[in-house]
Amino acid sequence: KNQVEQSPQSLIILEGKNCTLQCNYTVSPFSNLRWYKQDTGRGPVSLTIMTFSENTKSNGRYTATLDADTKQSSLHITASQLSDSASYICVVSANTGGFKTIFGAGTRLFVKA
Amino acid sequence: DAGVTQSPTHLIKTRGQQVTLRCSPKSGHDTVSWYQQALGQGPQFIFQYYEEEERQRGNFPDRFSGHQFPNYSSELNVNALLLGDSALYLCASSARGLGSVEQYFGPGTRLTVT
Repeated sequence: KNQVEQSPQSLIILEGKNCTLQCNYTVSPFSNLRWYKQDTGRGPVSLTIMTFSENTKSNGRYTATLDADTKQSSLHITASQLSDSASYICVVSANTGGFKTIFGAGTRLFVKA
Repeated sequence: DAGVTQSPTHLIKTRGQQVTLRCSPKSGHDTVSWYQQALGQGPQFIFQYYEEEERQRGNFPDRFSGHQFPNYSSELNVNALLLGDSALYLCASSARGLGSVEQYFGPGTRLTVT
């Protein structure tokens, strides 16, 4: 069964600290993995997209890694800011003729001053 | 360059009623996907429209239907509303015709069923 599991479910950190969010997936055949940031009540905004051959991709203070062998991805946030408080969603797509997209439930990040 | 737009932003309906949500894709995009997101959950795929036809469908009942117009905009219709249909409905567009899987999401429509 195609699944995307994220951990932790929620996380509280102090402003300025770093954090790492995890994503494990069983989606097959793998096409790409995306990380989105979603503010409460708003649509998700893309942070990174990685294909099978990419191990890491950065977008400012956000760095995503992908291990296609172990089917794991992480999103590392450096020097967190209050505006980083949001849900971070891992999305994995499978190329099954048409693209099948599986969303994780997200990690809710709270950054405190 | 306008991004994905959705209307209305908020909507309150009563059980048993019908609702229509609208989405205009990002300029240059030809594919529209609809998602339902319950509070505290990740988005759940409803269906995708390309070339005015439903191409893929998630695990949603026939009460959920849609349409895509020649200008690529799309509507999501939900009949016989249930309390459980209360959610944020997201529209995402992509350029499938160009082979791109990058999706851009709209701000969503918050539907409340009472």
